[in-house]
Amino acid sequence: LAKTTQPISMDSYEGQEVNITCSHNNIATNDYITWYQQFPSQGPRFIIQGYKTKVTNEVASLFIPADRKSSTLSLPRVSLSDTAVYYCLVGDNNAGNMLTFGGGTRLMVKP
Amino acid sequence: DAGVTQSPTHLIKTRGQQVTLRCSPISGHKSVSWYQQVLGQGPQFIFQYYEKEERGRGNFPDRFSARQFPNYSSELNVNALLLGDSALYLCASSGQATFTGELFFGEGSRLTVL
Repeated sequence: LAKTTQPISMDSYEGQEVNITCSHNNIATNDYITWYQQFPSQGPRFIIQGYKTKVTNEVASLFIPADRKSSTLSLPRVSLSDTAVYYCLVGDNNAGNMLTFGGGTRLMVKP
Repeated sequence: DAGVTQSPTHLIKTRGQQVTLRCSPISGHKSVSWYQQVLGQGPQFIFQYYEKEERGRGNFPDRFSARQFPNYSSELNVNALLLGDSALYLCASSGQATFTGELFFGEGSRLTVL
């Protein structure tokens, strides 16, 4: 399984755009990149998934360069409620429901 | 529609005891997975069940076992509890056995072992 590396923590202010970058140098051809968000004492929540280029949904964008060795989760205009841990996961989408979580990035949004 | 529900939400046990945690998946979902999350770390995969059969097992000792019922609900059992078993136990469901894109997690059962 591809190993991911992401910053342990980040600080931001309300209204700013936040970009969290994840490194996955050993990503395999069949691997997808998935991001989850987790609030304290809650289960993780799916944010976005992509394979290459750019993916956008109602809450975030995911940028994946051509070599796919990294990816960037972009959260536009964050609010206090975006304070959470964000996990970058890499894996084969057909490998079963076994997700491999790393340590995640703890995002703190300040007023 | 109800999401993934887990029970109990909190429980306290002592070393050596046994615990059973329960999970009801989203209606229509046939796959249930269990994860252990120790404070300050990401969730770690324990088991996946689909159509009552084990489809995956993480690196956990045999003290951990699980099963899935005909209605697709699931139980996780942990025997001979150790202090290190204190964690948030998360259940996740999905509609497919093989797809790993989006899992729907419950809020977890927080187990404290004294």
